[in-house]
Amino acid sequence: NAGVMQNPRHLVRRRGQEARLRCSPMKGHSHVYWYRQLPEEGLKFMVYLQKENIIDESGMPKERFSAEFPKEGPSILRIQQVVRGDSAAYFCASSPRDSQGSNNSPLHFGNGTRLTVT
Amino acid sequence: GESVGLHLPTLSVQEGDNSIINCAYSNSASDYFIWYKQESGKGPQFIIDIRSNMDKRQGQRVTVLLNKTVKHLSLQIAATQPGDSAVYFCAVSGDSGYALNFGKGTSLLVTP
Repeated sequence: NAGVMQNPRHLVRRRGQEARLRCSPMKGHSHVYWYRQLPEEGLKFMVYLQKENIIDESGMPKERFSAEFPKEGPSILRIQQVVRGDSAAYFCASSPRDSQGSNNSPLHFGNGTRLTVT
Repeated sequence: GESVGLHLPTLSVQEGDNSIINCAYSNSASDYFIWYKQESGKGPQFIIDIRSNMDKRQGQRVTVLLNKTVKHLSLQIAATQPGDSAVYFCAVSGDSGYALNFGKGTSLLVTP
């Protein structure tokens, strides 16, 4: 039973380029969450999606960042015109339902994409 | 807003000893709490969770204690092993209803 799959594991981009990070949730999970982790920091929530819907993007920067979770295929976190400050580890998590629903379920995380902007 | 903190950034214990990792949170409305373990180069791995209607929950070699009065959470690891060496994060439900708020992490080092 495959876990949350993220690719690429490592991504190097020059300033101004675009970064596309992909996440396939666990089988049977329809809720996807993206988090960002700076070195020696905890994870910071970015966005929560269900299939074809963005539910909460309150943690996402207003510019250059976007996320989608299409009906078919993986969830994509897209960062346009990357800057050095975007260098971080980006983690995707999935759950079978809203993690704050009446039956809380823990998030299952992938191993992340480590973005380096040069 | 929510703030989640850990009392110690690093903890060094000897193999076989018990470990206790602490976490304080600020939002009294938080009702779901999770401990994660993160090894180098990997994503957070679920260890144990607890809901606000409980004050203690036990798993295999791990126990989570919740004190809602002082808004404090702890993770106890019995008979700590070298494989337990990792960074441990507490995560707390927030106001948004969707986001978990993570602490900065405690680095646990188990020495033989």
